[in-house]
Amino acid sequence: SAVISQKPSRDICQRGTSLTIQCQVDSQVTMMFWYRQQPGQSLTLIATANQGSEATYESGFVIDKFPISRPNLTFSTLTVSNMSPEDSSIYLCSARTSGGLPDTQYFGPGTRLTVL
Amino acid sequence: AQKITQTQPGMFVQEKEAVTLDCTYDTSDPSYGLFWYKQPSSGEMIFLIYQGSYDQQNATEGRYSLNFQKARKSANLVISASQLGDSAMYFCAMREEDTGRRALTFGSGTRLQVQP
Repeated sequence: SAVISQKPSRDICQRGTSLTIQCQVDSQVTMMFWYRQQPGQSLTLIATANQGSEATYESGFVIDKFPISRPNLTFSTLTVSNMSPEDSSIYLCSARTSGGLPDTQYFGPGTRLTVL
Repeated sequence: AQKITQTQPGMFVQEKEAVTLDCTYDTSDPSYGLFWYKQPSSGEMIFLIYQGSYDQQNATEGRYSLNFQKARKSANLVISASQLGDSAMYFCAMREEDTGRRALTFGSGTRLQVQP
């Protein structure tokens, strides 16, 4: 299994500001992802973080709003830019492990973001 | 179209009883994986069980088992001998292996409440 840590665990931010969330995995992984979970909702994929290249974004999510970096195999960041109250959500980092059975996908503890 | 459908927004079960949480899926990809996650009120996503589309036997992990009916495209989670600590949100998810995306797609979730 993989242990995934995220920083910060929660934050309260003002409208119009930006927040960068960090994700660190304790072992090498094949793929890393960022999800959003709005209050009372399920998880929605924001993007796949690609090592050393631009992330692959899902429909409805754009790089200008959610820039993502992945400089190496075990670390990624997600920035929520120019925040509005609608961005208040839990943001979860996820990683697909390499090797082992099953080839499952693990999640970090999440970052609870509140935008005022 | 919905790829993962969970038709039970909420379920109640008595402590020590078994409960089945429903999940149906839709895919044309012959290679896929089905996952169940538990999300307690703390917000973390806990991996429970995995079933591959080519697996001949239903997956089991302790008190969790997956009732996989491929022809019906269903992957129901069975929790035996429910405990108070099982009260949480439960999400079914699918990963399609032959498409380029390879990320999990989640259902809307079922909130399980275990009653003493």
